[in-house]
Amino acid sequence: SYELTQPTSVSVSPGQTTTITCSGDKLGDKYTCWYQQRPGQSPVLVIYQDSKRPSGIPERFSASISADTATLTITGTQTMDEADYYCQAWDSSTVIFGGGTKLTVL
Amino acid sequence: QVQLQESGPGLVKTSGTLSLSCAVSGGSIASNKWWSWVRQTPGKGLEWIGEISHDGRVWHSGRINYNPSLKGRVTISIDNSKNQFSLTLTSVTAADTAVYYCSRGSGKPFGYDNWGQGTLVTVSS
Repeated sequence: SYELTQPTSVSVSPGQTTTITCSGDKLGDKYTCWYQQRPGQSPVLVIYQDSKRPSGIPERFSASISADTATLTITGTQTMDEADYYCQAWDSSTVIFGGGTKLTVL
Repeated sequence: QVQLQESGPGLVKTSGTLSLSCAVSGGSIASNKWWSWVRQTPGKGLEWIGEISHDGRVWHSGRINYNPSLKGRVTISIDNSKNQFSLTLTSVTAADTAVYYCSRGSGKPFGYDNWGQGTLVTVSS
């Protein structure tokens, strides 16, 4: 079965740039989305179609894709960005989530 | 703005059947959107359960996709008259204890842009 691999945790200081990766075989041939989940809350879509931001998502959130890796970037990370981040892709008709990355801003 | 609200028992007996509903308000469920179930075990990541899409035609069962790892135990159905969709998971064990979310998506490549608040279901004898 298809798998998406994310780092378990990432730590940054406020104002720095956060980079979270998501790796999968030939991920670049699929579409990737990213979700933010703050503690005790439901997931929120922050990136769809590899690199597009839904309305209402701050411009500091961006994403890119290469052959096997999708990357979520948060420029000028704020304390409110502290959350778990999940990548998601499609393997044919099956939806796959990565294991999630806990972003700590300290 | 579409809102989703999960409902159902918070406690299910081991080997029993888990049944949840998701009420959709602020929009029609017969909209060719994908209505999905996703679960999250305590302290762990997200697991996609499956999804259904329906265009509202009578006698049409809709398009359905399931997580292969749960296939055989899971059924997702839609009730256009009540504007809601449902999840049934049979032969549950403690491993099925999780927060269950319903969500709405527009299919590949758009992701799920609207989520319910989630409901905790505990499986115990």
